[in-house]
Amino acid sequence: QSALTQPASVSGSPGQSITISCTGTSSDVGSYNLVSWYQQHPGKAPKLMIYEGSKRPSGVSNRFSGSKSGNTASLTISGLQAEDEADYYCCSYAGSSTSVFGGGTKLTVL
Amino acid sequence: EVQVVESGGGLVQPGGSLRLSCATSGFTFSSYWMNWVRQAPGKGLEWVANINPDGSEKYYVDSVKGRFTISRDNAKNSLFLQMNSLRAEDTSVYYCVRDRTYYGTGTLDIWGQGTMVTVSS
Repeated sequence: QSALTQPASVSGSPGQSITISCTGTSSDVGSYNLVSWYQQHPGKAPKLMIYEGSKRPSGVSNRFSGSKSGNTASLTISGLQAEDEADYYCCSYAGSSTSVFGGGTKLTVL
Repeated sequence: EVQVVESGGGLVQPGGSLRLSCATSGFTFSSYWMNWVRQAPGKGLEWVANINPDGSEKYYVDSVKGRFTISRDNAKNSLFLQMNSLRAEDTSVYYCVRDRTYYGTGTLDIWGQGTMVTVSS
């Protein structure tokens, strides 16, 4: 049950694209296509942005996309907007009905 | 409107106990896996525990096994977390969270606003 590895911070200018990585192991990210991504603004509850690796819930902008290669999942945000500035967390199913989160990435929109 | 509302947080001494509650509405509570997720001040999210729809399966992160117990009352659309032998490192905001998947595989789609638990003497 070790936390997934995310960069502590990323930044980009409005209109640009950024990618946040999420590295796990063959026991979690690598074994299942069950990575989800959450956006959290300061003082607010997290919000589901991507699930099952690349699916978007209703209402989430198509500027958000997800992918996976091996033990690493990625979240890409295109056409950066000021309101995208937030903390982002990945989460993977880890077997036996348990889940594990990443340490979180702070996105700054310059 | 789908809602989950946590309550029961507060200040407790190390070694003490606390019971968190989560009241839900707007969805068929008895059909969903439910979770507790916590966040220490200024830190990241940590999955704590989950329970299947009929309450027969319960899973925990290693750090709380033997100290925390998750339970539910489907008749009252409520989720609970009994926390015993509390430690300073349990200090966190605790979120009640719905899992949208049939097998409880961690797609957490509905979050409450959280309840703060502080363990300190």
